[in-house]
Amino acid sequence: KQEVTQIPAALSVPEGENLVLNCSFTDSAIYNLQWFRQDPGKGLTSLLLIQSSQREQTSGRLNASLDKSSGRSTLYIAASQPGDSATYLCAGIYNTDKLIFGTGTRLQVFP
Amino acid sequence: NAGVTQTPKFRVLKTGQSMTLLCAQDMNHEYMYWYRQDPGMGLRLIHYSVGEGTTAKGEVPDGYNVSRLKKQNFLLGLESAAPSQTSVYFCASIYKGTQYFGPGTRLLVL
Repeated sequence: KQEVTQIPAALSVPEGENLVLNCSFTDSAIYNLQWFRQDPGKGLTSLLLIQSSQREQTSGRLNASLDKSSGRSTLYIAASQPGDSATYLCAGIYNTDKLIFGTGTRLQVFP
Repeated sequence: NAGVTQTPKFRVLKTGQSMTLLCAQDMNHEYMYWYRQDPGMGLRLIHYSVGEGTTAKGEVPDGYNVSRLKKQNFLLGLESAAPSQTSVYFCASIYKGTQYFGPGTRLLVL
């Protein structure tokens, strides 16, 4: 069964800290992996998409890596800010573009 | 360009009532999806469509029906609502591997 797990479930850090969010998946036959941000009561915003042929993607202070052989992806957030507070979801994209979501990491960055 | 929109934003139903959720996208995307999001369970795929006139079952299709009569619209129907269908419903479309999500519909079934 295709499953995606995210650890930790919640994280609280002081402003300015660099942090890593973890995502693991059971089926390595993954096409792509996508990271999303979800603010309370809102929809999902795509942050980064890593194709299976790529190892990482960067956007501003965000860097996402993908290691298919170990079934892991990480989202690195540099110099965290209170505005980064949200739930971060990773999703593995398999055949027919179906996404398998993790349950998310709820991040709080305090001033 | 409004992206992906959903109506209604919030609805309360009584057990046994029916309703239709509407998803619309103006980006001319072929693939569209309906998910439900429940606490502690992440997002789960209900149904999806790979083009106008086509639909397919996802992970949790029971109790739902869908239609894709027009490319820009994807409808999710509940024929006889149950309390277990209380959830937040998200619609999405995909382009070049990236999914674009609507703002969600919060449904409460009493």
